[in-house]
Amino acid sequence: QQQVKQSPQSLIVQKGGISIINCAYENTAFDYFPWYQQFPGKGPALLIAIRPDVSEKKEGRFTISFNKSAKQFSLHIMDSQPGDSATYFCAASLSGTYKYIFGTGTRLKVLA
Amino acid sequence: GAVVSQHPSRVICKSGTSVKIECRSLDFQATTMFWYRQFPKQSLMLMATSNEGSKATYEQGVEKDKFLINHASLTLSTLTVTSAHPEDSSFYICSAHSDRPSSGNTIYFGEGSWLTVV
Repeated sequence: QQQVKQSPQSLIVQKGGISIINCAYENTAFDYFPWYQQFPGKGPALLIAIRPDVSEKKEGRFTISFNKSAKQFSLHIMDSQPGDSATYFCAASLSGTYKYIFGTGTRLKVLA
Repeated sequence: GAVVSQHPSRVICKSGTSVKIECRSLDFQATTMFWYRQFPKQSLMLMATSNEGSKATYEQGVEKDKFLINHASLTLSTLTVTSAHPEDSSFYICSAHSDRPSSGNTIYFGEGSWLTVV
């Protein structure tokens, strides 16, 4: 119930393409869903986040789509660039806490 | 923006010794900080929640006597790995929640600390 399942484990996309990463959860008590980007040897950096009362949120080239009934959410990176090559983690936070449960991560490589 | 700083960024210690990692919130107060451990090519696993002025809350399976956490001020939490062993070698990352109302649920992460036990 506390798990957040993330797929795919790795992803290769051509420059200019769309990168799509998916996450699914079981616990309906989760109420905050951020996405983090992590470069090797660095801490994770917040990209974008969404709450369950919104079905989509867009910030620049990054969009979160949220399906509350299916308990799934996804990250779309439009016009993917080589500089986007990193590991991406979805996460979920329990209502009333700031504890994050992280997905297993997706290693994205964008080919030039 | 909010910044969380960790020190040291890299540390090598001998097996059996203890090592301390600091986590500071630089421009905000953080009643609550979190410590994560990340093994190579794996996800972040929450170890414990550090509460200012009170005992830390440890996740299941994390030895509280081995990973000592102290949150003595609103801007500093420390993680001490006691009697370190090579299997404790990992990337340790802290995060902090800003007490500012405008921050919402946002958590700010530090840059991480690489621990190598030889």
